[in-house]
Formats: sequence, structure tokens, C-alpha cells
Amino acid sequence: AQRVTQPEKLLSVFKGAPVELKCNYSYSGSPELFWYVQYSRQRLQLLLRHISRESIKGFTADLNKGETSFHLKKPFAQEEDSAMYYCALYAPGFQKLVFGTGTRLLVSP
Amino acid sequence: IAGITQAPTSQILAAGRRMTLRCTQDMRHNAMYWYRQDLGLGLRLIHYSNTAGTTGKGEVPDGYSVSRANTDDFPLTLASAVPSQTSVYFCASSSSGSTGELFFGEGSRLTVL
Repeated sequence: AQRVTQPEKLLSVFKGAPVELKCNYSYSGSPELFWYVQYSRQRLQLLLRHISRESIKGFTADLNKGETSFHLKKPFAQEEDSAMYYCALYAPGFQKLVFGTGTRLLVSP
Repeated sequence: IAGITQAPTSQILAAGRRMTLRCTQDMRHNAMYWYRQDLGLGLRLIHYSNTAGTTGKGEVPDGYSVSRANTDDFPLTLASAVPSQTSVYFCASSSSGSTGELFFGEGSRLTVL
């Protein structure tokens, strides 16, 4: 069965510090990986997906099939990055999106 | 209406009562989903519907039922609420061509006493 693991419940950094939110997955096929973000008092929204290989708000994520990881990175954190981040896996055969337990990022001034 | 609308935003409910959370989308998306969000457990799929007239069970379907009579509406019903169903419920939708890209509602906070 497909599974997404986010080992950190809370990640606290200072403004300007690098950020890496970890995500590991288990799935026997070829998954599609996503990062979703939920800012305070806002709805959950898509941040980026591995297929597009783009950088959104300075964040990037590379799919590492060997390590089954999809870590989210940003070189210099900003206070406005404080939010809840969810890694998610889409398994085409199941047509469903499976979420990890989430990591709360807190960026302090 | 723009996107996904959920109602009510918040509700306190006595255990044993019946409750329906409403979800409406105006994007003509084929697929719709209900998730519950709990601290430390993340988002867990309750039920889903890939197209009007069909529904399926997610990870935690017990105690919940859904219907999909048309494309736009996907109500979630708790037949007899229990305190463990206290949670924030999110409805989401996606088009058949955008696998994995979900559009979410603002959530419904339900407290069962």
C-alpha cells in the first residue's frame, strides 16, 4: 500500500536560515509526488509537484527514487513561509491522493 | 460561488445526532473527496467520488456516508455522531486531467460532545 512519512511534526528556524522538510514514501509503482501548504486561516493549496520541476516561492523539491524521498527545500526561509506543509503521493492505479501527517514550519525573526 | 464551498463553517453537535456537511463546487470537476484533518494524523481520506453517481471508501469510512447525485454536490453524512468524529473536515475536488492536484474548501470544524 502507498504510504507517506513526514518525520518532523515541527520545524523551527530563524529567518534567512535554510529549510528542509523531509518526506519519504513507499509505493511500488511510479508515483506522482506533491507538496501542499496551509497558511494560517487559509485553505490547503498546492505548492508544487515533482513533474513540473519548478520553484515556487523559492521552494524546490526533487524526487529521489533511490531513496524514495521528496524533500522540500528553501535556501533562505522567510517569516511568511510559516505554515503547515503536507507531502502527498498520487498512485495512478488507486486514483487517490495520500497525505503525510504534515510538518509545521515556524520561521522566527 | 467560486471554487469549493463548504457548510457549515463550524458546528457543535451532541453525540448521537445526525449531521450532514455540505460541499458544492462550480468548477465542473469530476472527482470529489472528503478528508478529515487531525493533529498528528494529517489528512485522511474518508470517502471519494470519481464521477457523478459513483462513490468509494477511503482510509477511514466508518461512521460516514456520502452521495453524489450530480457533479457539483458531495455531501458527507454522520448518521450518529460520536466524539471521535470531532475534527476539521475538508472537501476537495479535481478534474480528471489533473491527477493529484486537488482544490480544497475552507473546511468545516465539527465538535461532537
